[in-house]
Amino acid sequence: DTGVSQNPRHKITKRGQNVTFRCDPISEHNRLYWYRQTLGQGPEFLTYFQNEAQLEKSRLLSDRFSAERPKGSFSTLEIQRTEQGDSAMYLCASKGPLEYGYTFGSGTRLTVV
Amino acid sequence: AQSVTQLGSHVSVSEGALVLLRCNYSSSVPPYLFWYVQYPNQGLQLLLKYTTGATLVKGINGFEAEFKKSETSFHLTKPSAHMSDAAEYFCAVSAINDMRFGAGTRLTVKP
Repeated sequence: DTGVSQNPRHKITKRGQNVTFRCDPISEHNRLYWYRQTLGQGPEFLTYFQNEAQLEKSRLLSDRFSAERPKGSFSTLEIQRTEQGDSAMYLCASKGPLEYGYTFGSGTRLTVV
Repeated sequence: AQSVTQLGSHVSVSEGALVLLRCNYSSSVPPYLFWYVQYPNQGLQLLLKYTTGATLVKGINGFEAEFKKSETSFHLTKPSAHMSDAAEYFCAVSAINDMRFGAGTRLTVKP
């Protein structure tokens, strides 16, 4: 499978706990994006990486959120001290240098109870 | 700033009828425009894209879209709806460093 892989697919956590999601992009893609999608809305940009460098962060990304892409391959998104408002689908996408569109993973659905 | 607006959060058509999903964009530079489809609990799948060149763009599953600069529109059409087309559709514009999405249009296909 050469698509974008996200794990886990679903995560239920108690409020206040920390969670971490992983994204494995298409191997030759240098750009990796994180989006958040709440029910009935389109995806909202959170952050993106070009290789290992995090080049932009949305103001939606509070101090409780951190993303890494340590070797320019897979990426992790961590949410600390989760809140109920963090419940959403977290989507990862990647893009190659000569492409226009993004390839999305299936997402991680987070439920904070 | 670049943005898209999707007109109609919910569209319902009968099987075999024309599908028309509306999208208007705002961009200070020549835009790259996209339509994505999302099935329940899935990620987004690219239907088609406009970058440069021909303004009528054909995509997968029989969908097409026409870029109209004068109307700042990029509406998605399909001549004959199929039950399997029922899904959420998102129009998007590519900004400098990221892609901005509309709020989505849920397409329902009635038998």
